[in-house]
Amino acid sequence: NAGVTQTPKFQVLKTGQSMTLQCAQDMNHNSMYWYRQDPGMGLRLIYYSASEGTTDKGEVPNGYNVSRLNKREFSLRLESAAPSQTSVYFCASSWSRTQGEGEKLFFGSGTQLSVL
Amino acid sequence: TQLLEQSPQFLSIQEGENLTVYCNSSSVFSSLQWYRQEPGEGPVLLVTVVTGGEVKKLKRLTFQFGDARKDSSLHITAAQPGDTGLYLCAGKDAGGFKTIFGAGTRLFVKA
Repeated sequence: NAGVTQTPKFQVLKTGQSMTLQCAQDMNHNSMYWYRQDPGMGLRLIYYSASEGTTDKGEVPNGYNVSRLNKREFSLRLESAAPSQTSVYFCASSWSRTQGEGEKLFFGSGTQLSVL
Repeated sequence: TQLLEQSPQFLSIQEGENLTVYCNSSSVFSSLQWYRQEPGEGPVLLVTVVTGGEVKKLKRLTFQFGDARKDSSLHITAAQPGDTGLYLCAGKDAGGFKTIFGAGTRLFVKA
């Protein structure tokens, strides 16, 4: 089972370049998320999509845009990359929240992005 | 803003030792989760605790949710090198849709 698939695995950009990180899940999950992980700061939510056709900002949305292309795919775009966006990016998916129980997030293996 | 603080940030122990890591907040959470992350991979869920005072066991790992639902602990008995990794606590923000994460405890177990 593939689960959550992210591409690319590694990417180096120059300041000002643009790129799109791709994410796809094959578990028929309704909700999808983009997080970034920086040393000493844990995972911070960039954007999320509660269901197909909806997207909402997380904690750190500035400099990013997202597209929920269909139920399976959720992409993250950097329009003009900055060194502060150097990080490891994780896509995750889950069923919709179950009342009284934390939802289980399934993560991809991450994209390591360096912006020079 | 709800925050989750984890301690210690880093822990290096010998195989066979016991350890406890903590996850604390000033806010109440409807549930708390613990994830484990290995290098080059995404986090994987270990457990979810929902009820204040709840204790869950997963082999040598014991998870506890504080009575006031503001904190949680993870205790590992007789640690093994395979337990090495980054342990993250996470909580659902009250009334919201988002899962927030602590900064993690990086555990290294030496053989």
